[in-house]
Amino acid sequence: EVQLVESGGGLVQPGRSLRLSCAASGFAFDDYAMHWVRQAPGKGLEWVSGISWNGVSIGYADSVKGRFTISRDNAKDSLYLQMNSLRAEDTALYFCAKDEHPTVTNGGEFDYWGQGTLVTVSS
Amino acid sequence: DIQMTQSPSSLSASVGDRVTITCRASQGIRNDLGWYQQKPGKAPKRLIYAASSLQSGVPSRFSGSGSGTEFTLTISSLQPEDFATYYCLQHNSYPPYTFGQGTKLEIK
Repeated sequence: EVQLVESGGGLVQPGRSLRLSCAASGFAFDDYAMHWVRQAPGKGLEWVSGISWNGVSIGYADSVKGRFTISRDNAKDSLYLQMNSLRAEDTALYFCAKDEHPTVTNGGEFDYWGQGTLVTVSS
Repeated sequence: DIQMTQSPSSLSASVGDRVTITCRASQGIRNDLGWYQQKPGKAPKRLIYAASSLQSGVPSRFSGSGSGTEFTLTISSLQPEDFATYYCLQHNSYPPYTFGQGTKLEIK
């Protein structure tokens, strides 16, 4: 059974940093691209970032480019999101999502999702 | 970036009704579109991929159609468990992948 379990969320002050993790199991993690998608309270879904199976190809939404860094450790079956210079508008539930494809450029078909971890940016 | 315009933003319907949700892309995306269902406090679940292919395990009352710039999700006979929010997602142009703004389906 595929499982994606996010962690690392919490309350953080504006301008500070936070690192999210996503632990994957039940599939060959190093065969697939992975993504972060977020949902602000009461709002819709927003794709944040994606990373290819080997970590070589990476993409970001303009809203987080230069502040967030996605990475993965295939030896640990884990996905990460380093979030720096956090803003109030980054407050959201952050989902980890598995792609059906190994690359992000030909991906974007999310077949499994975690339950999310909540990030609240507030002073 | 490709913009996805979803309509309606909310919809009231009764059990047994047939409902249709539309997604329009700001430029052609072939059939590179998926439909997702999200219930409150839960992760999204994919219903349809490649615009019209039914995800394994999803009831056959769900169907998708369209290509290019206009797409529809149809639920042929609403069941109580179908009341949720639905999103389309285009994956033709990257980055970014873009979602529609969502359609909240409520019980009349």
